[in-house]
Amino acid sequence: GESVGLHLPTLSVQEGDNSIINCAYSNSASDYFIWYKQESGKGPQFIIDIRSNMDKRQGQRVTVLLNKTVKHLSLQIAATQPGDSAVYFCAENRANQGGKLIFGQGTELSVKP
Amino acid sequence: EAEVAQSPRYKITEKSQAVAFWCDPISGHATLYWYRQILGQGPELLVQFQDESVVDDSQLPKDRFSAERLKGVDSTLKIQPAELGDSAMYLCASSLARDQPQHFGDGTRLSIL
Repeated sequence: GESVGLHLPTLSVQEGDNSIINCAYSNSASDYFIWYKQESGKGPQFIIDIRSNMDKRQGQRVTVLLNKTVKHLSLQIAATQPGDSAVYFCAENRANQGGKLIFGQGTELSVKP
Repeated sequence: EAEVAQSPRYKITEKSQAVAFWCDPISGHATLYWYRQILGQGPELLVQFQDESVVDDSQLPKDRFSAERLKGVDSTLKIQPAELGDSAMYLCASSLARDQPQHFGDGTRLSIL
């Protein structure tokens, strides 16, 4: 079936701590994944992506890990800041379906000062 | 940084009326997408264009929704007649190609009274 879902709907962390947001997907043929950040009243903002030929990719303060064996990916945010508070979505890009994005329901990250 | 432009930001109208949303993608992006996002959920694809051609409109309620991208640049999504259940955020995204990251606009928040 089609599903990309997140394990936790909410996550609360202390400022300065690291955050980990998880995501499971069901389509083993999927080969491209994207993490988005969505602040209230705004559209999803691209954070980082990863293709299936990689198991780790790093950006500025963010790291995405992909485990194809168990169809799981995670987003790690280092030294979480109040500005990181938002809803985070993982999305599965179905290149064989014209690049259609399948989104999960999202995890709301709340950063406590 | 180039952005996807959408207008209007907000639209309030009564059921049975016609509504239209406009999107101007990032310059040079051949692929354009319209998504609908219900509060608390991830966006869901309505229609996808490659240049001026529709690639996927399988999730578009064609009895009341229409979309066009006549010159392969900007795009319009229309609903006629609007129903109460159409209240949602309508997001436009664009990408260089189908297997490249999609970049979103800030959407149009539609409320049907």
